[in-house]
Amino acid sequence: DQQVKQNSPSLSVQEGRISILNCDYTNSMFDYFLWYKKYPAEGPTFLISISSIKDKNEDGRFTVFLNKSAKHLSLHIVPSQPGDSAVYFCAAPAVASGTYKYIFGTGTRLKVLA
Amino acid sequence: DVKVTQSSRYLVKRTGEKVFLECVQDMDHENMFWYRQDPGLGLRLIYFSYDVKMKEKGDIPEGYSVSREKKERFSLILESASTNQTSMYLCASRVAEGAYNEQFFGPGTRLTVL
Repeated sequence: DQQVKQNSPSLSVQEGRISILNCDYTNSMFDYFLWYKKYPAEGPTFLISISSIKDKNEDGRFTVFLNKSAKHLSLHIVPSQPGDSAVYFCAAPAVASGTYKYIFGTGTRLKVLA
Repeated sequence: DVKVTQSSRYLVKRTGEKVFLECVQDMDHENMFWYRQDPGLGLRLIYFSYDVKMKEKGDIPEGYSVSREKKERFSLILESASTNQTSMYLCASRVAEGAYNEQFFGPGTRLTVL
């Protein structure tokens, strides 16, 4: 039972254009979401997050949109750069043993073409 | 600067060997996690620990065990390595308090079991 889904395993975008990465979730109790970025042979690093009390959060070229009624979030990268080529994971915290663990999606590999 | 370190970046072992993967964090975090990353499957939680000597099974604990004798160190043990345990292993840590604190990841260990 996958509670966080990323249905596009890969995406190619031309440099300078917009990249849109999508994430769907099934658990309506999730109230916070994070995006992580992972380069090959490195650990994931935190990119941006959004609370369910907002529908948008922006940080430079990165914007995350949340549509609670559709249980859908998306990460927009504008303009896309070759250095953005990486695997992107969305995640949501779930209660476990009195603390929280993250439920991760399967990831989307973004390739930005120069 | 926060830091999660893993004992090896690359490891090659033979089927049936006992394998130890070590993770150390210097942030005094209560929670520590072990994941494996496989193409198309994303980040899957193997085990996590919410305090010293405390552990909980994640989504795929079979074939693995863990040890947390000190707060800063979380070890993943493959009792008898098998070829299907060839993977990228990632350790992470975070504070226990609240859902809105990011996880910090180590650089990963690429394990190959022959």
